[in-house]
Amino acid sequence: DADVTQTPRNRITKTGKRIMLECSQTKGHDRMYWYRQDPGLGLRLIYYSFDVKDINKGEISDGYSVSRQAQAKFSLSLESAIPNQTALYFCATSEERGGYTFGSGTRLTVV
Amino acid sequence: KNQVEQSPQSLIILEGKNCTLQCNYTVSPFSNLRWYKQDTGRGPVSLTIMTFSENTKSNGRYTATLDADTKQSSLHITASQLSDSASYICVVRGFSGGYNKLIFGAGTRLAVHP
Repeated sequence: DADVTQTPRNRITKTGKRIMLECSQTKGHDRMYWYRQDPGLGLRLIYYSFDVKDINKGEISDGYSVSRQAQAKFSLSLESAIPNQTALYFCATSEERGGYTFGSGTRLTVV
Repeated sequence: KNQVEQSPQSLIILEGKNCTLQCNYTVSPFSNLRWYKQDTGRGPVSLTIMTFSENTKSNGRYTATLDADTKQSSLHITASQLSDSASYICVVRGFSGGYNKLIFGAGTRLAVHP
């Protein structure tokens, strides 16, 4: 099994729909992150969590929310999806000073 | 503004050849610099992590260099293989907006042809 598992891998949804992307990890790391990747741009941080009771906004949090259900689970929600949220979404985990482990990504298309 | 810029945007080389990818950054303060490999449809995978005191670090056929004075890094790939075809992302860890964060370059897309 992968260290960081994202579901679904691909999703097409309509404008205005609520959608949840899920992430689970077996690394035992406290820190978890959600990033967005767009063509020609570097990954940008949406939200991050340093432990179950800690949730922080990243640089592009508008239109997104997150839930840290357990140390191993961190989900990202789009309350009302819009077309410019079409992107590749990555979940990642890390130790405080260690490297990051990324999931395989969720390709989201909003039509 | 903290930025990480990579060049070239894309590169095609023949199998067995060497290549060098460039990364310039303006992130300050600077904690460390990382190179990641991202295969199509996959998440980034770490190749190297260097602190400001390290000038070079190798991982197999991948060698990263860092010049903290000029804020430049390079990733050299030796004897390229078809499996090296991927995007290579330079990432700088710095303090910005009240917390330590990773700042990602847009990547260099490398294609290795037989």
